[in-house]
Amino acid sequence: AQKVTQAQTEISVVEKEDVTLDCVYETRDTTYYLFWYKQPPSGELVFLIRRNSFDEQNEISGRYSWNFQKSTSSFNFTITASQVVDSAVYFCALGRGSTLGRLYFGRGTQLTVWP
Amino acid sequence: GAGVSQSPSNKVTEKGKDVELRCDPISGHTALYWYRQSLGQGLEFLIYFQGNSAPDKSGLPSDRFSAERTGGSVSTLTIQRTQQEDSAVYLCASSFPNTGELFFGEGSRLTVL
Repeated sequence: AQKVTQAQTEISVVEKEDVTLDCVYETRDTTYYLFWYKQPPSGELVFLIRRNSFDEQNEISGRYSWNFQKSTSSFNFTITASQVVDSAVYFCALGRGSTLGRLYFGRGTQLTVWP
Repeated sequence: GAGVSQSPSNKVTEKGKDVELRCDPISGHTALYWYRQSLGQGLEFLIYFQGNSAPDKSGLPSDRFSAERTGGSVSTLTIQRTQQEDSAVYLCASSFPNTGELFFGEGSRLTVL
């Protein structure tokens, strides 16, 4: 069975703090993909990143970075120097195999960044 | 616009009525997904269409729910004999095949009284 767990329901930080959103996944597939999506307060879900199971290199994009560790089945997301505009619900998701049909989403983490 | 378009944006209905929700995907996207999002819940998968393949209906919660996709483009999600527990935001997304990079619409908020 496929499962994505985001244990942190809500996180609050003050601007400029760094924050890490945790994601743990379960799958027996050897080929799979992991994703992060962002849902701002009044907006649509937006794709942030996709990683495949064969690439454990960490990725950095501006203030965002992702740490993929197969040994712990985790795909954590760090925002450096958080800003108020980062306030949103963040979803981690898992896609199976190479055909990537349905995505299995976690329940999301509500991040609030206070000024 | 160039994004995924959903209608209606809001629908209030009485228990027992049927409702139809429409999704117009991004042109060229052959994959189309329906999810629903309830308060405090995550994103619950409903159904997935990919090209001319048989849809993955494994997420439909009951036989009151059905969806079709005409001409490989527009999709309609139909809920028959609505129940209060059907109240949720129904999200449609589309993508190119095999990418997982979903483009979501703004959703249709359904309230069943």
